[in-house]
Amino acid sequence: DIRMTQSPSSLSASVGDRVTITCQASQDITNYLNWYQQKPGKAPKLLIYGASTLVTGVPSRFSGSGSGTDFSLTITGLQPEDLATYYCQQYDSVPEMFGQGTRLEIK
Amino acid sequence: EVQLLQSGAVLKKPGESLKISCKGSPDSFTNSWIGWVRQMPGKGLEWMGIVYPRDSDTRYGPSFQGQVTLSVDKSISTAYLHWSSLKASDSAMYFCARRLDDCRSTACYYYFDYWGQGTLVTVSS
Repeated sequence: DIRMTQSPSSLSASVGDRVTITCQASQDITNYLNWYQQKPGKAPKLLIYGASTLVTGVPSRFSGSGSGTDFSLTITGLQPEDLATYYCQQYDSVPEMFGQGTRLEIK
Repeated sequence: EVQLLQSGAVLKKPGESLKISCKGSPDSFTNSWIGWVRQMPGKGLEWMGIVYPRDSDTRYGPSFQGQVTLSVDKSISTAYLHWSSLKASDSAMYFCARRLDDCRSTACYYYFDYWGQGTLVTVSS
């Protein structure tokens, strides 16, 4: 099974900051990676697929990059509503594992 | 519009059986897989498995193989997650989601694009 490791596990940032979350796969997954946002008490929401393709309707301050084993999610110009936990997920092979999540707090 | 509506919260005792449901619009059950994701209290998302409504093909995550059964009744656009004997450690929120196979000329993308609202399962004596 392919294991996904996110870092950091949690972070705190201020409104307007640039925030980067990283995700590392245990083996090459090309660009078969998704990013989800989960707000407290809600179901997850798809933000990015194919490592870098933004879902329609997702604010452009979110961006994804990477290929192979190393990926990142960047929020440029953090907003209060970005308070959430963020998960990466690989879909190179079943089981399509999630990372352990990164909890983002707003200072 | 794709919608997934899950059955309500349940309280069960250890050893009891349980089947929870995820009812979708017909669109959600056409040419898509339906997946299940577990979230234990205060923890992250765990991929449990996926089922293909058209032919009931099923894939399980290693931690869930033999522990749960995924099934589907495509005639009523409903997917099910079944336990034959619950344990306290099965207490969690369970989400269903549509896994879209988005294939284009250059690549295929697989992602959970629509999610149910979640079903809270509590197992306690």
